[in-house]
Amino acid sequence: NAGVMQNPRHLVRRRGQEARLRCSPMKGHSHVYWYRQLPEEGLKFMVYLQKENIIDESGMPKERFSAEFPKEGPSILRIQQVVRGDSAAYFCASSPRQGIDIQYFGAGTRLSVL
Amino acid sequence: EDQVTQSPEALRLQEGESSSLNCSYTVSGLRGLFWYRQDPGKGPEFLFTLYSAGEEKEKERLKATLTKKESFLHITAPKPEDSATYLCAVNNAGNMLTFGGGTRLMVKP
Repeated sequence: NAGVMQNPRHLVRRRGQEARLRCSPMKGHSHVYWYRQLPEEGLKFMVYLQKENIIDESGMPKERFSAEFPKEGPSILRIQQVVRGDSAAYFCASSPRQGIDIQYFGAGTRLSVL
Repeated sequence: EDQVTQSPEALRLQEGESSSLNCSYTVSGLRGLFWYRQDPGKGPEFLFTLYSAGEEKEKERLKATLTKKESFLHITAPKPEDSATYLCAVNNAGNMLTFGGGTRLMVKP
């Protein structure tokens, strides 16, 4: 029973390029959450999605960041025109239901912007 | 705004030396408090969920407790393999977890 799968594990981009981070939730899970962990900081919520719907994006920067969870395929976190301040570890979590259900995390994607 | 504060930031223990990690929280309507373990370069690994004051849960050398204002993670006779960062998080609105800064635990043999 595979856990939450994230890829790539490491991603290097130059300033101005685009970064695409992928997340496949655990089998049977239809709720996906993205969190960001900046160096020396705690995990911060970014966005919560269900299939084909963004439910809560209150933690997402207003510009350059977008997320989707299509009917088929993984959830994608997209960062356009990356800047050095986007360098961080991005974690995806999934749960079978909303609310106080346990969120299971993937291993993360470490983005480095040169 | 929900707030979670963990203390201490770092803790060094000798193998077998029991101690406790603290998680203080301010949240409008706690629905669940979560403890995770995070090893370097990895994602958080779920340990416990606590829902109401007075609740306790145990797993091997770890025991989590909850009051109306804080939670404790008690570590009994720790081993070097217990070295990790321990994260506390609260859930109130059902959509997101609000995390504390974590406690970095180092257990020396």
